[in-house]
Amino acid sequence: EPEVTQTPSHQVTQMGQEVILRCVPISNHLYFYWYRQILGQKVEFLVSFYNNEISEKSEIFDDQFSVERPDGSNFTLKIRSTKLEDSAMYFCASKQASYQPQHFGDGTRLSIL
Amino acid sequence: GQQLNQSPQSMFIQEGEDVSMNCTSSSIFNTWLWYKQDPGEGPVLLIALYKAGELTSNGRLTAQFGITRKDSFLNISASIPSDVGIYFCAGGSNFGNEKLTFGTGTRLTIIP
Repeated sequence: EPEVTQTPSHQVTQMGQEVILRCVPISNHLYFYWYRQILGQKVEFLVSFYNNEISEKSEIFDDQFSVERPDGSNFTLKIRSTKLEDSAMYFCASKQASYQPQHFGDGTRLSIL
Repeated sequence: GQQLNQSPQSMFIQEGEDVSMNCTSSSIFNTWLWYKQDPGEGPVLLIALYKAGELTSNGRLTAQFGITRKDSFLNISASIPSDVGIYFCAGGSNFGNEKLTFGTGTRLTIIP
């Protein structure tokens, strides 16, 4: 069964450094999302992306965050200058169309030192 | 923002028992989904609900979309060891791009 693929599985970065998290959504999906989950907490929405632009973003998704779909298969989340509180699991999700459910990748664990 | 209250927070049951958990919200949602998360993995979709009052089954799992659109429940019948994990409800606010608002999760533990 097709799945959302995320790399790397674990990223360790110094505070203040830039980090790029990568996702390959399911191939015929049109809607893309990033969520994060701080250890022991619930999953929180960051941003949704459709038709090559951001559809909605949360308060968490400030100017330090950006997303890009550089080609037909990848979807990336960039954090420009990481902070300690950015440490979390970051999940990419995609869905095919309206009235279809979102499918999640296994996440990237981001650890900021 | 929208909040989803999920209960119970945790459950300790014996293998073979039935399980019931639910989510409530003060806001209306247009879709309800139930996911299961195992340690170190992403949420895996169990059931998706798109219509108020809808009752849907997936094997031993049954979920309902509340008629008020403010709640949903998930039942698991005859639990087995691989049911262990954290179950999350998620509500979608609008069709198309819908962001999901997740509940706080129910941790299911099966006592041998």
